[in-house]
This record gives sequence, C-alpha cells and structure tokens, in this order.
Amino acid sequence: GAGVSQSPSNKVTEKGKDVELRCDPISGHTALYWYRQRLGQGLEFLIYFQGNSAPDKSGLPSDRFSAERTGESVSTLTIQRTQQEDSAVYLCASSLDGGANTEAFFGQGTRLTVV
Amino acid sequence: KQEVTQIPAALSVPEGENLVLNCSFTDSAIYNLQWFRQDPGKGLTSLLLIQSSQREQTSGRLNASLDKSSGRSTLYIAASQPGDSATYLCAVNYGGSQGNLIFGKGTKLSVKP
Repeated sequence: GAGVSQSPSNKVTEKGKDVELRCDPISGHTALYWYRQRLGQGLEFLIYFQGNSAPDKSGLPSDRFSAERTGESVSTLTIQRTQQEDSAVYLCASSLDGGANTEAFFGQGTRLTVV
Repeated sequence: KQEVTQIPAALSVPEGENLVLNCSFTDSAIYNLQWFRQDPGKGLTSLLLIQSSQREQTSGRLNASLDKSSGRSTLYIAASQPGDSATYLCAVNYGGSQGNLIFGKGTKLSVKP
C-alpha cells in the first residue's frame, strides 16, 4: 500500500478481554516499530522489528503485551487481560531499514479504550 | 539513558512570525534525527530527516539544523500560518539491533490568525 495501515482505527473493549491490533507496513520496509501514546503524553516505545533479527522488546510494559511479525510484512500487537491503564493510541511505524538514511512513516494509529 | 528534550512545551505566536523549536538529546552517537508533526487525534507526519553527517535540511518554509557535538537540533518555521498549528515532535534514531526512535514530548504550536 501507499502508507502504513493500522486496524482497527478505534477499539472499545471491556476490562479483562484480549485485543489484537494490526499493522501493515509499507511494502519493502524491513523495520517496524510499535509505540503507545496515552492522552496528553509523549510516545512510549514498545517493540522494534528489524528484518530477521530478534525483536527489541525492551519497551513492552508487562507480560500481557506481545507482538509478532510475519516475515517483513504484517505485525500484530496483542494485549491480554486488558486494564484501564492500557487505554491509549497505539501507533505503528515502518522504515526501509533502521539505518541512517531512512525515514520512519507512521500509521494513523488505533485508539484503544478499555472500559 | 538516552533522553530527548523539547523546549518550549507550548508556544503561541501571531500569524506571520518566524519561530524556532528546540530539541536536545543526551547521546550524540545518533544515526539520524527526524522532525514530525502531529495533528489532534491523528498519526505522525514526517517533516524532515537529518542524517548524522548532515547539518541541515530544508523543505519549503521549514528548516531543520543538527549540531551533534552539542546534542541539539532546531526546527525553524518561516512566516507561520494558522495551518501550522500542531504538535511538533523530535525523534532521535540510535540505530542498530536495538534501534528505536526516541521521542521528545513535543512542542504544541498555536498560530493565531
């Protein structure tokens, strides 16, 4: 596609339920990032995928959070047993690689509300 | 710990003014630095990317500079317009297997007509 696509754009879920968020990066981009942005806050890094390397999971806030990526294409971020503090906009970005010359391009985000 | 700081947190200017947004980072061993704009309820739009070997980049009314030795970048907006109102974010890429973009908290710009 022309840009990074995220789905759903909005998700309301009940506390305790699991949710899956999807990110389709720009075709050919080997690097993929997930970030979280709580209301009025900055972007928090969650996880980074680069090609076939082991992902950098250092930003995942708890073991309820996990992410997968199929090759160099779609990624899913899963949050198990959601809590109200998980409410945020989840942003995905991709870049050609993680190197010096490449821009990161962001999707429009998924707004998650846990009620 | 690598940190990115943006000053000011908010800025309000009348239309037509030139303005400067500031970004500082603690670790100068960067791959690149990228400026984004974020409109309310929206994702991030990339404005300018400066590689570590470059000192500045220009796009239209925007000019971004990079001084690695002092750990600073500035975004200069000329002849500001109400449509420039948004939050401007600076992100530093440290690359490598642990590469991730480290973001500042942003500067919220309001340009008054």
